[in-house]
Amino acid sequence: GESVGLHLPTLSVQEGDNSIINCAYSNSASDYFIWYKQESGKGPQFIIDIRSNMDKRQGQRVTVLLNKTVKHLSLQIAATQPGDSAVYFCAELGGSGNTGKLIFGQGTTLQVKP
Amino acid sequence: GEEVAQTPKHLVRGEGQKAKLYCAPIKGHSYVFWYQQVLKNEFKFLISFQNENVFDETGMPKERFSAKCLPNSPCSLEIQATKLEDSAVYFCASSPRPGVSYNEQFFGPGTRLTVL
Repeated sequence: GESVGLHLPTLSVQEGDNSIINCAYSNSASDYFIWYKQESGKGPQFIIDIRSNMDKRQGQRVTVLLNKTVKHLSLQIAATQPGDSAVYFCAELGGSGNTGKLIFGQGTTLQVKP
Repeated sequence: GEEVAQTPKHLVRGEGQKAKLYCAPIKGHSYVFWYQQVLKNEFKFLISFQNENVFDETGMPKERFSAKCLPNSPCSLEIQATKLEDSAVYFCASSPRPGVSYNEQFFGPGTRLTVL
C-alpha cells in the first residue's frame, strides 16, 4: 500500500545551522509531494512542494530534494531560526482519480537551540 | 472568511456519547477535506466534499462516522457512540480546486476530541 515516512522523529540543531529533514516513500508511482510545518496547537502549514519530474525546488530558505531512484525526499532549511521549531511532515498526493487526498508521513520534530 | 474555521476548539465526550464537529471553509473554496491526527502523529484522511457532494470517502470508517456539507451551513463531522480510540485532533482543510494547484489545501486549527 501507500506509505510515506520520515527517518527521525526528532532533530535538534543550533540556531543559524542548516537543517535537513528526511522522508522515504514507498509508492514509486507518486508524482507529487508536499512539506508541511505544524506548530503546536495549529494546523499544518504549506511550506514547499515538488513534482516527480523535478529533483530540486527552492523557496525562501527552504529547498526540497527528490531522489526517485531510492524514493527519498528531503527538506533543507538554511540558517535555522527559533521560529522554525515545529513538527515537519512530508505528504504525497494519494488515491486514484486525483481527488486531492493527502497521505502524510509520521513527522519530524525540529528543535532549534539558541 | 479568509481562514478555515473549526468549532469547537475542544470537545470532551464520555464513551458512547455523540460528538459533532464543525468546519467553515474559506469563502469561495468548493472542496473540503477532513483528517484525523492521533497523538500529534500522522494524519489520516477521512472524507472530502465537492460543495455538498461526497468527493472521496475512502478513509471514512463505515460505522459511527458521518459527514455533511450543506449549502449555506458549516460542514460537519459526526461521530455516533464515541470510543476511546476516537480521541484525536480533527482537522478540516479547504481548497478551491485540489489536484491542480496542489498548494491550495488550507488547514484549520483543528478540534481536539477527548473521549473519556
